[in-house]
Amino acid sequence: EIVLTQFPGTLSLSPGERATLSCRASQNVNSIYFAWYQQKPAQAPRLLIAGASNRATGIPDRFSGSGSGTDFTLTISRLDPEDVAVYYCHHYGSSFVTFGPGTKVDIK
Amino acid sequence: EVQLVESGGGLVKPGGSLRLSCAGSGFTFSDYTMHWVRQAPGQGLEWVSSVSSSSLYIFYAKSLKGRFTVSRDNAQSSLYLHMNSLGVEDTAVYYCAREAYNRGWSWGQGTLVTVSS
Repeated sequence: EIVLTQFPGTLSLSPGERATLSCRASQNVNSIYFAWYQQKPAQAPRLLIAGASNRATGIPDRFSGSGSGTDFTLTISRLDPEDVAVYYCHHYGSSFVTFGPGTKVDIK
Repeated sequence: EVQLVESGGGLVKPGGSLRLSCAGSGFTFSDYTMHWVRQAPGQGLEWVSSVSSSSLYIFYAKSLKGRFTVSRDNAQSSLYLHMNSLGVEDTAVYYCAREAYNRGWSWGQGTLVTVSS
C-alpha cells in the first residue's frame, strides 16, 4: 500500500510570496497518475495539476507541479488571498487510490 | 461541461442503511471509471470505492469491511453506493468522482451523510 506524506502541515505566507508544498510517496509511483487538488471550505476538491505537472483547464499559471518517483512538489509562484485552501496530493491506479493528509495554506 | 450531482444523503440511525446516487452529465458516462470518496467533518479525503466503466472491476477500501456496495447504470448515467450497518464513523460528505485516466479526477459537490441516534 502506497502512503503519501505531505509537508508542511500548514504554510502561512504573505500575499505575493512563493509557496512550496511537498508530497512524498512511500514507494515509487507512476507520475502519470499523480495529481494535486485544492479544497476551499465547504467546497468540493478542485483539480489543479494532473500527470504531476499538467495544469488543469482554467487553472492560473501561478500554479505549477513537478516531480517524479517518490517526491512531488506543488508551487504557487505568487500567493493570492484566494489561494487560501487545503491542498491534497493524490495517486491512483487500477486497484488503489491514496490521498495525502493535506497542506493548509493561510495568508499572514 | 462535466457535471456530477450526488443525492440520497441524510440523517440515519446507527445500524441503518442508505443508498447514495450520483448523476453524471456532460460526458459519455460509460467510458469512465467512477469513484466514491468521503470526507469526515474536519478531516481529509478517504477513498471508498471504485467501479470500472463496464463494472468488470470493483474495489473497496479495506476499512469498510464489506458493508458498502457500489454499482452503476450506464444507460442512466448513474452511480450508486449502497451503505449498510452504518456507524457514527461513517458520518461524512460523500463525493462521487470521475477518473479521466491521466487527466485527474472531476468531482461532484457531495452529499452529507449523518449517522446519529
